[in-house]
Amino acid sequence: DAMVIQNPRYQVTQFGKPVTLSCSQTLNHNVMYWYQQKSSQAPKLLFHYYDKDFNNEADTPDNFQSRRPNTSFCFLDIRSPGLGDAAMYLCATRQDRGLNTEAFFGQGTRLTVV
Amino acid sequence: AQSVTQPDIHITVSEGASLELRCNYSYGATPYLFWYVQSPGQGLQLLLKYFSGDTLVQGIKGFEAEFKRSQSSFNLRKPSVHWSDAAEYFCAVGEIGNDMRFGAGTRLTVKP
Repeated sequence: DAMVIQNPRYQVTQFGKPVTLSCSQTLNHNVMYWYQQKSSQAPKLLFHYYDKDFNNEADTPDNFQSRRPNTSFCFLDIRSPGLGDAAMYLCATRQDRGLNTEAFFGQGTRLTVV
Repeated sequence: AQSVTQPDIHITVSEGASLELRCNYSYGATPYLFWYVQSPGQGLQLLLKYFSGDTLVQGIKGFEAEFKRSQSSFNLRKPSVHWSDAAEYFCAVGEIGNDMRFGAGTRLTVKP
């Protein structure tokens, strides 16, 4: 029944070693988001895709990249993870029908950098 | 720019007591407002939403929220809290387009 699926749930990576987090959806929503959430903080928007159009937040570090090869999948690439990138990464989707609708979230991927 | 403020970082209530979590927003037009709940290590689940119409909205798990334009508020309420309601609660504001911004969150602890 899961509609937004994030893999893996837990990811451990080495300092400086590239890592990719994945998100898939069965909702056929046209908008997909990536949020970073650090401990006891609110989710922070990194970027989002409106269909294939990529929208980067101004303060998202260059170390973070994203790909959306098709409607169903979206990837978050961290080129050189630092200790400060350890966080929960949340993927969300939304269908933009002209009126604002709610976002559906995945379970998140908790990233540990060692 | 739109912003969301949740003044209370942490609230503790006794089981069975009523609950109100505060949310204030800053936005030029009519906002789209949401409340999400997050259990430890989990994603966010939508409790309720306001787009237009009746300013008192009902959500899941017995929660409701009231949109008050004059106070720029969208406070979440529940008449009787259950131990399973202990979690982090996030208020969020959406805008026409695609962005959704979150408040800092309020952590709810429920005492037996």
